[in-house]
Amino acid sequence: EAGVAQSPRYKIIEKRQSVAFWCNPISGHATLYWYQQILGQGPKLLIQFQNNGVVDDSQLPKDRFSAERLKGVDSTLKIQPAKLEDSAVYLCASSLESRVGLTDTQYFGPGTRLTVL
Amino acid sequence: AQTVTQSQPEMSVQEAETVTLSCTYDTSESDYYLFWYKQPPSRQMILVIRQEAYKQQNATENRFSVNFQKAAKSFSLKISDSQLGDAAMYFCAYRRDNAGNMLTFGGGTRLMVKP
Repeated sequence: EAGVAQSPRYKIIEKRQSVAFWCNPISGHATLYWYQQILGQGPKLLIQFQNNGVVDDSQLPKDRFSAERLKGVDSTLKIQPAKLEDSAVYLCASSLESRVGLTDTQYFGPGTRLTVL
Repeated sequence: AQTVTQSQPEMSVQEAETVTLSCTYDTSESDYYLFWYKQPPSRQMILVIRQEAYKQQNATENRFSVNFQKAAKSFSLKISDSQLGDAAMYFCAYRRDNAGNMLTFGGGTRLMVKP
């Protein structure tokens, strides 16, 4: 079974530029998550999708971050414009569903390391 | 709000020995779930073990086991017979029951394994 795919693996941009990250979850997984992991910290949830609907985006800085999952499969996370403090690893995860039980196990992708200069 | 604290930024263990990683959390909920994730240099988070708060029995997965102390809000991970491949960052995480599967992570502990 293929895992969660993310691209690119690395991205370097200058502040005020825009950037987009792509995630392809495990086939059949209804729930998709984007996390931000700043160096030396644990991941922080930015947004959670159930199919193509948003379940939780309370920690997403909506003035500059946006995310979509139009067809309930792939997802993109965009930052526009980027700030220095956005430098982090952006992790995508998916789970079969979000209800409690074995099907809620989150499987993570390898992440995209973003450096903002 | 729930918080998860890992007080050991780094731990070191000799190969084949046992090491315990600490985690404490703060919550007012009675039903919740706790997890340990491993993050090797490849950055891919891997679930190691999970514990349901309503279960008194501590979870075990092969060489990995937990000591869950609900009253003390403590959730430590014990790794027995440590192997070189166990070297990684370890994150403790909390999930509230019926909370849409949102995980709150601790700051992580870097585990080094000496040959």
